[in-house]
Order: sequence, then structure tokens, then C-alpha cells
Amino acid sequence: AQSVTQLDSQVPVFEEAPVELRCNYSSSVSVYLFWYVQYPNQGLQLLLKYLSGSTLVESINGFEAEFNKSQTSFHLRKPSVHISDTAEYFCAVSDKPRQLTFGSGTQLTVLP
Amino acid sequence: DGGITQSPKYLFRKEGQNVTLSCEQNLNHDAMYWYRQDPGQGLRLIYYSQIVNDFQKGDIAEGYSVSREKKESFPLTVTSAQKNPTAFYLCASSIGTGGQPQHFGDGTRLSIL
Repeated sequence: AQSVTQLDSQVPVFEEAPVELRCNYSSSVSVYLFWYVQYPNQGLQLLLKYLSGSTLVESINGFEAEFNKSQTSFHLRKPSVHISDTAEYFCAVSDKPRQLTFGSGTQLTVLP
Repeated sequence: DGGITQSPKYLFRKEGQNVTLSCEQNLNHDAMYWYRQDPGQGLRLIYYSQIVNDFQKGDIAEGYSVSREKKESFPLTVTSAQKNPTAFYLCASSIGTGGQPQHFGDGTRLSIL
């Protein structure tokens, strides 16, 4: 069985500061990894994904995540955050198409 | 803004009754999905549809039925054959047909009276 651990439930950070949201997973098979974001009053939406190939993946709004197989991690980073990045972020793992196991989420709050 | 609308937010079912959960998307996505979430568990796939008038069973399709008469709509019926229907149901969609969902609705919580 797969599981996903998001180590921080709340991450407050000042605007333009860097941020890292941590995610670790456990799985005995090869996995696909995802980050989803939920902005206030909206549904979950896919932010970025790792399926294969380069271990560093990027989103269109400046976030990146690196797949580290030896540490079973998929941490999400952004070098400089904006107020509009305030949202809840969910890490997810899958070992086959359309199946997902989510972490418990990390609330990122960007302060002015 | 585009998104997925699920209704109702809360639904109560009597024993032996069928109920239908609505899911509408205005994202022009091809694929739509229904998931069930129980406490302490990940999402489990009930049904998915890649194109209009076609759908496939997921891992836990027994006791559920779906239809896809329009691209933007994918209603889920929880039938009386589903013996343990109390759960949180999420609808999702994606542009492509081969991968993971990209957008989710806010969910419907179904309870048995």
C-alpha cells in the first residue's frame, strides 16, 4: 500500500521569500508523483507531475519539484513566492493511471 | 472561471433508494472521473469516461452507474445495490484521456439515514 506524508501542515512565509513544501512517500513499486493546489474557494487542480525522465519538473507559475528516489521524496519549491500563491498544496502518489493517494495537505500562507 | 461543479454538497439516502450526484465541467475537458474517499484512505476510482457515450469501470464500480451523454456532464448514480454508500465523492476531469485528473470538484458527502 502507498502512503504520502506531508511533514508541515502550515507554512507561513513572507512575500518574495523562498519556500519548500516537503513530501515523502512510501511505495514498493515504481510510482508517479504529483502536486495539486487548491486556491481559496476552488477545487483541486494539478500543479505539476513526475512520470518519468528528468527528475526535476516545473510548473507554469514558477514552482518546481524534484523526485529523489533514494530519499523517497518529492519536495515542492519556489524561489520567490507571491501573495497569489496562498493556497493548500497536496502531494499525491500513483502506481497506475487514474489512481491517486493524497497526503494530508500543507497550507501555504504568503504574508505581505 | 472554468471549473467543475458538483451538487449537492450534502446528500442523504434512505435504505433501498437510488440517488444521483451531479458533476458538470466547463473546461472542455475530454475525460471525467468519479472517485470515492473514505476516512484514512486514498481516492478509489469508481468510473471514468474518456469520450461522450463511453465509460469504463474503475476498481469499485459495483453498486454504481454513470452516463456521459454530454461532454460537460458525468452524473453518478448510487444504487440500492451499493451496501456501504456513506462516503465523500469527488468528480474530476482532464484534457487528455490517458493520465491523471487535472481538476477536481468540491465533492458531495453522501450519508445514509
